[in-house]
Amino acid sequence: DTAVSQTPKYLVTQMGNDKSIKCEQNLGHDTMYWYKQDSKKFLKIMFSYNNKELIINETVPNRFSPKSPDKAHLNLHINSLELGDSAVYFCASSQIPGLGSYEQYFGPGTRLTVT
Amino acid sequence: TQLLEQSPQFLSIQEGENLTVYCNSSSVFSSLQWYRQEPGEGPVLLVTVVTGGEVKKLKRLTFQFGDARKDSSLHITAAQPGDTGLYLCAGEIGYSTLTFGKGTMLLVSP
Repeated sequence: DTAVSQTPKYLVTQMGNDKSIKCEQNLGHDTMYWYKQDSKKFLKIMFSYNNKELIINETVPNRFSPKSPDKAHLNLHINSLELGDSAVYFCASSQIPGLGSYEQYFGPGTRLTVT
Repeated sequence: TQLLEQSPQFLSIQEGENLTVYCNSSSVFSSLQWYRQEPGEGPVLLVTVVTGGEVKKLKRLTFQFGDARKDSSLHITAAQPGDTGLYLCAGEIGYSTLTFGKGTMLLVSP
């Protein structure tokens, strides 16, 4: 059983287009995330979201927007795609952290290529 | 400003050698996690350290959290080709938020 799944695995599109990446987790977790991993493998948080709060990384352009139809899904919509948006996007989930630490479970990633 | 600095960025060694990867910061973390990422996949958690000075072992991997909870190290004994991958440290900086280092790419040759 796949814990965190993403679709599509690969996405090639032209500049200016609007696209969505879907994410689903079957772990019963309360918090979901989107990360961007650039060509140098740097993994950067874009959003974290639970049913109470959306936390946005202030460096993320407003062309990116997360949408959550329910607790198990967090989709990423990207408007007016730019060349610099090319990267691998990872979805992740975790329980609401209590005292101490928590684990994030990552999806397999979506490689987005903007031409 | 990069919150977490990892070194080295790239390491290529022969099977059987030992190695250490470092993760340093000027910030204090409530916990620090180490992940391994293989090509075409997402990161997978190896260990979480919470207490300053804590040492955890996972088979041939030894993880240590600095006394001041600002740094950590990962030591691999007798590396094997299966250890090849990108090793990422991540510090918990706030409610449900991790900040990742830039990673150490390890290549272990037979």
